[in-house]
Amino acid sequence: GNSVTQMEGPVTLSEEAFLTINCTYTATGYPSLFWYVQYPGEGLQLLLKATKADDKGSNKGFEATYRKETTSFHLEKGSVQVSDSAVYFCALSDPQFSGGYNKLIFGAGTRLAVHP
Amino acid sequence: DSGVTQTPKHLITATGQRVTLRCSPRSGDLSVYWYQQSLDQGLQFLIQYYNGEERAKGNILERFSAQQFPDLHSELNLSSLELGDSALYFCASSVVLDSGANVLTFGAGSRLTVL
Repeated sequence: GNSVTQMEGPVTLSEEAFLTINCTYTATGYPSLFWYVQYPGEGLQLLLKATKADDKGSNKGFEATYRKETTSFHLEKGSVQVSDSAVYFCALSDPQFSGGYNKLIFGAGTRLAVHP
Repeated sequence: DSGVTQTPKHLITATGQRVTLRCSPRSGDLSVYWYQQSLDQGLQFLIQYYNGEERAKGNILERFSAQQFPDLHSELNLSSLELGDSALYFCASSVVLDSGANVLTFGAGSRLTVL
């Protein structure tokens, strides 16, 4: 079935370090891909998305490129801040349903801790 | 504020009891999703409604049920509660963009503790 695999955390970085969180997916069809972020005590917030191959999603300095050939959607940021400490979830829209409104399938989440 | 409202924020109850979690979607969103987040299971999709009709069902236990009302708010009913039902329950609503991407907006969650 469709699934998302993320690198295990926690990832611990110093401020201004480069961040990569790996995400690979398995899906039939052509899903959209997402990164959501969950700050402590809060719900999930959409960070960025990509809807087709080679699309690059970006927001708040974070980027991810939809790579169909490697079935990947790795999250990157050039210089992390303490305020980026959160749990990051990679997700795909289940392509089994047509017409939109497809549920999201999430990876297990990767906890990021950034220290000053 | 995401626009998706969930109540209650916190709930503590005993095993064997029944609780109801409520969700109001963003204005204009027709689809509502329920997810369970626990430490060992991650984010598990439970069930989805679209304009009052059940659209997709995931790993939802038979002890759990949900519905979406004509005003589009949704309720998740959890009965015969067990210790393992302790989790964060998230509701999300969605809009389909022109690109076809279905973007879910999540509420802040309801934290259920079963003692």
